[in-house]
Amino acid sequence: QLQLQESGPGLVKPSETLSLTCTVSGGSITTSSYYWAWIRQPPGKGLEWIGSIYSSGNTYYNPSLRSRVTISVDPSKNQFSLNLSSVTAADTAVYYCAKHNPEPGLDYWGQGTLVTVSS
Amino acid sequence: EIVMTQSPATLSVSPGERATLSCRASQSVSSNLAWYQQKPGQAPRLLIYGASTRATGIPARFSGSGSGTEFTLTISSLQSEDFAVYYCQQYNNWPPLIFGGGTKVEIK
Repeated sequence: QLQLQESGPGLVKPSETLSLTCTVSGGSITTSSYYWAWIRQPPGKGLEWIGSIYSSGNTYYNPSLRSRVTISVDPSKNQFSLNLSSVTAADTAVYYCAKHNPEPGLDYWGQGTLVTVSS
Repeated sequence: EIVMTQSPATLSVSPGERATLSCRASQSVSSNLAWYQQKPGQAPRLLIYGASTRATGIPARFSGSGSGTEFTLTISSLQSEDFAVYYCQQYNNWPPLIFGGGTKVEIK
């Protein structure tokens, strides 16, 4: 059974870079035809897709965040990571990692991690 | 960019009753639509993909229909564990993946 787990700081200062890692267990992150995604949810609000990375390393980002987002993969650790630069309070959210295929969709999710942007 | 609009924002239903949730796309997404369920403090769970195919392990009381711009998620007989927020999401034209704003199904 595939499992995903987010990790990283729960508090980030404004203007700094938010960095999170998702560790995948129960399967290989380099399995072909899989994407790996980051999604976030501000407190009390809806879901926003941040971006996805394909097993080949190709990345796809939300245009609204593209200038600040980098998603990368570390096959040796079976992990993928999110960097979001120049954060503000508006980036405060629960951040989820997920396995993504266009179909059937986002079918495995991590439990989520709350990141607060505050000085 | 496609906009996904869900209605109603909140749906009050009694246990055992039928719930019908709507999702509208600002342009056609064919059948490339998924539904997710999210309970408080939990990650979303995939319910439906391809507009009408139940994901693995999803009970038959959940059904999806529609194509193009109009979609419906129906819960035939609400159980206590079904009270949650439901999101639709299009993947016909991505990036970006776009979610609707959600419908909260609450106990009447």
